[in-house]
Amino acid sequence: ETGVTQSPTHLIKTRGQQVTLRCSSQSGHNTVSWYQQALGQGPQFIFQYYREEENGRGNFPPRFSGLQFPNYSSELNVNALELDDSALYLCAAIGTSLNEQFFGPGTRLTVL
Amino acid sequence: AQSVSQHNHHVILSEAASLELGCNYSYGGTVNLFWYVQYPGQHLQLLLKYFSGDPLVKGIKGFEAEFIKSKFSFNLRKPSVQWSDTAEYFCAVNAPGGANNLFFGTGTRLTVIP
Repeated sequence: ETGVTQSPTHLIKTRGQQVTLRCSSQSGHNTVSWYQQALGQGPQFIFQYYREEENGRGNFPPRFSGLQFPNYSSELNVNALELDDSALYLCAAIGTSLNEQFFGPGTRLTVL
Repeated sequence: AQSVSQHNHHVILSEAASLELGCNYSYGGTVNLFWYVQYPGQHLQLLLKYFSGDPLVKGIKGFEAEFIKSKFSFNLRKPSVQWSDTAEYFCAVNAPGGANNLFFGTGTRLTVIP
């Protein structure tokens, strides 16, 4: 167990809809990263939040947005869903060593 | 931009066989290197990491990896695999400092036959 939880576990949406995925860290880590893992691929960095501010972003369009709350829980929002957004979305809390990331179990999103 | 290559997509071994999974990265500066494992239906877990110092690092469950700077490689090894090692293995790299985001390879699926 990494102490990082994500909800929901699975989600099915249709093209054009919007989705919100959630992440929380039992340890209250103040840095969280989100990754997208398409089938058969490695995780790809979406963005990172530190103290409620975006602190780095990968090659994802603006319709991918996030929030981090004072209790260090986090949300990933995706607008105008596309079929290619179907993937496992992983949240990772950054440990005190700053270079160790603890991953949650992921949310599997299916876009029909 | 950083990139990570894992050339073995699927490896099938019998129990007790030795394992070596290749990982090469592309980045001109100092890097931190990681191997993660994803057992079926489970979280990504850290197997081992290299930040600096001894290039041969030992991780959990009998795994080790060797950082060879001249070859930009960080291969994962285990002398004798078990059926329970069946999983997906990901090599990852990040640059010290900055946003700490990890760049992952595409993964290698290991199947160990009893």
